[in-house]
Amino acid sequence: KAGVTQTPRYLIKTRGQQVTLSCSPISGHRSVSWYQQTPGQGLQFLFEYFSETQRNKGNFPGRFSGRQFSNSRSEMNVSTLELGDSALYLCASSLAPGVSNQPQHFGDGTRLSIL
Amino acid sequence: ILNVEQSPQSLHVQEGDSTNFTCSFPSSNFYALHWYRWETAKSPEALFVMTLNGDEKKKGRISATLNTKEGYSYLYIKGSQPEDSATYLCASSTDKLIFGTGTRLQVFP
Repeated sequence: KAGVTQTPRYLIKTRGQQVTLSCSPISGHRSVSWYQQTPGQGLQFLFEYFSETQRNKGNFPGRFSGRQFSNSRSEMNVSTLELGDSALYLCASSLAPGVSNQPQHFGDGTRLSIL
Repeated sequence: ILNVEQSPQSLHVQEGDSTNFTCSFPSSNFYALHWYRWETAKSPEALFVMTLNGDEKKKGRISATLNTKEGYSYLYIKGSQPEDSATYLCASSTDKLIFGTGTRLQVFP
């Protein structure tokens, strides 16, 4: 069974640009969550999608957005990039959404660097 | 605001030593407590998900306990090995998973 796949693995952008990251969950998983990790910070929750609907959103500005397609693949978009957006972005999938006793299955992440 | 705290931040032990870490979380609106192991250059891997007060789970040399009334969980590693070197993350689940900043464990041969 293939794991969670994130593309691209690495990305370099400049301030003001926008970026789209992609996540393909484990087959059969309909919940996809996105997290940001910066040095010294824990994984910060960005948002969660289930059945193409955003179920929950973390405390991030509106420049961060996402969507989920009918095949459960998800994309995350960041517009007007800032230096502080440099981070590792992790995607995780699970069978059940939100309040859940299901473990999250993580991808390898996309490392985004803003110059 | 839900804060999940982990201690210590880092730990260096010798091979064969047993060790433990703490995760504390607000006990109100609690649903589940997750533990993950995150090795360098890999993705976080789920260790345990616990929901019941007094729950204890074990996976090989690693075990975890949960106290939902006082809001803490312990992770124990018996006879640490170099391959146990990783960052151990806990996360509390209410309507979303809130992660602590992790305990970084290094096991020296």
